[in-house]
Amino acid sequence: DAGITQSPRHKVTETGTPVTLRCHQTENHRYMYWYRQDPGHGLRLIHYSYGVKDTDKGEVSDGYSVSRSKTEDFLLTLESATSSQTSVYFCAISERPTDTQYFGPGTRLTVL
Amino acid sequence: RKEVEQDPGPFNVPEGATVAFNCTYSNSASQSFFWYRQDCRKEPKLLMSVYSSGNEDGRFTAQLNRASQYISLLIRDSKLSDSATYLCVVQQTGANNLFFGTGTRLTVIP
Repeated sequence: DAGITQSPRHKVTETGTPVTLRCHQTENHRYMYWYRQDPGHGLRLIHYSYGVKDTDKGEVSDGYSVSRSKTEDFLLTLESATSSQTSVYFCAISERPTDTQYFGPGTRLTVL
Repeated sequence: RKEVEQDPGPFNVPEGATVAFNCTYSNSASQSFFWYRQDCRKEPKLLMSVYSSGNEDGRFTAQLNRASQYISLLIRDSKLSDSATYLCVVQQTGANNLFFGTGTRLTVIP
C-alpha cells in the first residue's frame, strides 16, 4: 500500500468553525489531490497540487483552501465550515498527472 | 450531464456467478480508463486499468468501446470477497481531469 495517511480520521465540528485536514505521504510523489465523496456523487476533486506551493482548483473548490509547504504534506482548510461540507474527504497522490492515483484512508467530517 | 454514469445496483449474485457492470462516459476525448474497487468505509483502490484491446486479470476482464463510449467489467466465478462497490473512472488530459462514477454495488451471496 502507498504510504498515505490522513488526520484526523474522524471529526465532528460546528457550523462556522475552521477545520484543517492533513494528508501526509512518504512516497515523494509530486501530485497530491483532495476529493470529497458524497452519496449520489462520484468522488469530486476539490483542489490539487503539482508541487510545493503549486496548487490549483478542482471541480468543487468553493469554501475550501489548500496549502503545500512541503512535498509530503497537503493541507485542506475549511475556513468556516458549513453543513454542506459534511462528507468523506480523501487525499490521493500520483507521480505524474496521467499515473494511477493512490488514495489515503479518508477523513469523515460532520458539520453540525 | 454527468461525465461518467454507472448503474448503482445493487447487484446481488450467488457465489460462482458471472456478473458484468457497464459504465458510459460523455467526453469522447477521454484518454485513460480504470476500474477501482471500494470496500465499505474504505478508500478506493485500483482494480485494473482498461485498455483499448481489452485486458484480463485473473477472473476480471475489462473492455473499452470507444465508439460507443462505454467501459465494462466482467467478474467470473464470483467470490464472497468480491463484495464491494466498483467505481468506473475516466481520465482526460491534465491533472484535474479524473472523473468518477458513483459506483456499482456488488454483493456476493453464499
